Amino acid sequence: GQQVQQSPSSLVLQEGENAELQCNFSSTATQLQWFYQSPGGSLVSLLSNPSGTKHTGRLTSTTVTKERRSSLHISSSQTTDSGTYLCAPSTGGNNKLTFGQGTVLSVIP
Amino acid sequence: VTLLEQNPRWRLVPRGQAVNLRCILKNSQYPWMSWYQQDLQKQLQWLFTLRSPGDKEVKSLPGADYLATRVTDTELRLQVANMSQGRTLYCTCSAEQGANQDTQYFGPGTRLLVL
Repeated sequence: GQQVQQSPSSLVLQEGENAELQCNFSSTATQLQWFYQSPGGSLVSLLSNPSGTKHTGRLTSTTVTKERRSSLHISSSQTTDSGTYLCAPSTGGNNKLTFGQGTVLSVIP
Repeated sequence: VTLLEQNPRWRLVPRGQAVNLRCILKNSQYPWMSWYQQDLQKQLQWLFTLRSPGDKEVKSLPGADYLATRVTDTELRLQVANMSQGRTLYCTCSAEQGANQDTQYFGPGTRLLVL
């Protein structure tokens, strides 16, 4: 089955710095989503990006499908960005997302 | 606008007791509904995807047994039974427009604490 590795496992930034999160997966993915998970557990969809580069606000995701990797860039980090970021690819033909362990981001003032 | 509602947000579950969770879809254009579960400090794990009213599935995993039912076009249920004592389990539902390649949106989830 699909295996997902995210790095780094944790990251501490000063407010205003940029963050680069990585996601590597073992099988070809027809969809890939990045999520923010709040401390209470709720998931917020950030970007859907199965291939290429997508931007929304301060977020940029780049997925290289053939190399089975994706990255999430957060520019000008804010304290409210603190939380867990999850990468989740899915394989064609079903709705099953496979989640990584996540990157815990802490942004300090 | 909230797409999915889940209540309650947390439950204390006496050991040996099953719990029934509901997920309500507020927009029928996202009919592909799924359940996911997450143990404390572990990865979110897909459990089921049920598309049509009447669909049912069961699954046994280490630490709990699951029964999912698509009750109506807008309601998905999950029964969790035989949970291990002391376990903290987070269950959340999702909805998607198509069978794949669309964005999945998640509900707020329910956190279960087994006494």
